Amino acid sequence: AQRVTQPEKLLSVFKGAPVELKCNYSYSGSPELFWYVQYSRQRLQLLLRHISRESIKGFTADLNKGETSFHLKKPFAQEEDSAMYYCALSGYGGATNKLIFGTGTLLAVQP
Amino acid sequence: GAVVSQHPSRVICKSGTSVKIECRSLDFQATTMFWYRQFPKQSLMLMATSNEGSKATYEQGVEKDKFLINHASLTLSTLTVTSAHPEDSSFYICSASKAGITDTQYFGPGTRLTVL
Repeated sequence: AQRVTQPEKLLSVFKGAPVELKCNYSYSGSPELFWYVQYSRQRLQLLLRHISRESIKGFTADLNKGETSFHLKKPFAQEEDSAMYYCALSGYGGATNKLIFGTGTLLAVQP
Repeated sequence: GAVVSQHPSRVICKSGTSVKIECRSLDFQATTMFWYRQFPKQSLMLMATSNEGSKATYEQGVEKDKFLINHASLTLSTLTVTSAHPEDSSFYICSASKAGITDTQYFGPGTRLTVL
């Protein structure tokens, strides 16, 4: 079954510390993976996608097909990074534009 | 930009009544819109996929007669919760993808439905 797993509900770090938000997936085909972010009182928005191989706001994520992971990383966390982060998988159900979301990880960056 | 709006942002209704939620793409044409439901402290669960001018495709376990979806134009989709009950209370979120760019969804701010 297609599934996205984010094992941590909450990740608390100090400003300047490295951050790694874990995401593992289960998918039988070739998935597209995304990270979405939701800042306090704001709507969900796309942070980055694996096919772009880009760095957004200092965050990067590499798709590891062997480990079926797509962890989100940032070397030095900032207070403004505090938000809810959702890992998402596209391509399930035979439709390439449908998304299945993980349960989310709340990142709290302490001053 | 790619802005999606939802109306209302919050609605409270009595059990047994029907509630309509609108989702609009303000500055682009959305060939596909999606409706999600989010319970407190849980993830977004896809309810249905709506393509302009055709019937919505519902996910397994979602009652299509309960959650009526209409996508009458390229900028508007509506979700009607019929004969609402307290268990339908939830946060409903829509998203839209642009014509020709199907791998990116733009999300609305959500609608909080409370059924008394």
